[in-house]
Amino acid sequence: GQNIDQPTEMTATEGAIVQINCTYQTSGFNGLFWYQQHAGEAPTFLSYNVLDGLEEKGRFSSFLSRSKGYSYLLLKEHQMKDSATSLCAVRRGGGGGNKLTFGTGTQLKVEL
Amino acid sequence: DAGVIQSPRHEVTEMGQEVTLRCKPISGHNSLFWYRQTMMRGLELLIYFNNNVPIDDSGMPEDRFSAKMPNASFSTLKIQPSEPRDSAVYFCASSLGLQGGSGYTFGSGTRLTVV
Repeated sequence: GQNIDQPTEMTATEGAIVQINCTYQTSGFNGLFWYQQHAGEAPTFLSYNVLDGLEEKGRFSSFLSRSKGYSYLLLKEHQMKDSATSLCAVRRGGGGGNKLTFGTGTQLKVEL
Repeated sequence: DAGVIQSPRHEVTEMGQEVTLRCKPISGHNSLFWYRQTMMRGLELLIYFNNNVPIDDSGMPEDRFSAKMPNASFSTLKIQPSEPRDSAVYFCASSLGLQGGSGYTFGSGTRLTVV
């Protein structure tokens, strides 16, 4: 099976740098994805890591350590429009069928 | 591209009725996934298809749920009979294969309420 843990919610000040952590336990790891979901909308793809290290994509960066089963999503210049739920998802290859399993999400609230 | 198209957007039905949810994946995507999202359990994978063939239906809650993909551009998820505990948002997603880093593209979802 798989365990994916992330905080239920976080609060940040507008303009701050926000780090959302995700830890996971799985066999056959084959990639970690971050998605963002605004209330009432579909999840949208943010980033993908399969090798250790940092991937940067505009205001979003994502880090992966496979040996530690750990990832984080970094949001720079946090804005009101970032008030959404960030979802960590792990892909399990081989017998896992390469399907994505999602964490329950971290709801990010922005303070002015 | 129009993206993944789901219908209906909202469905309210009475307990015991049959419900059919529909999905049109992105043209060219050969993998299709049905997820269910609730506050308590988050996003749960129900079933997925690769090249129109069901690969893993271990997430389907019980025999009341069934899914088909008769061709590359259409899939249905059917609940018969429906129960109040089936109330959730049902998402369809598609991807180009099962590998790679492009992730899934989700449809807008169907919000199902069973009363």
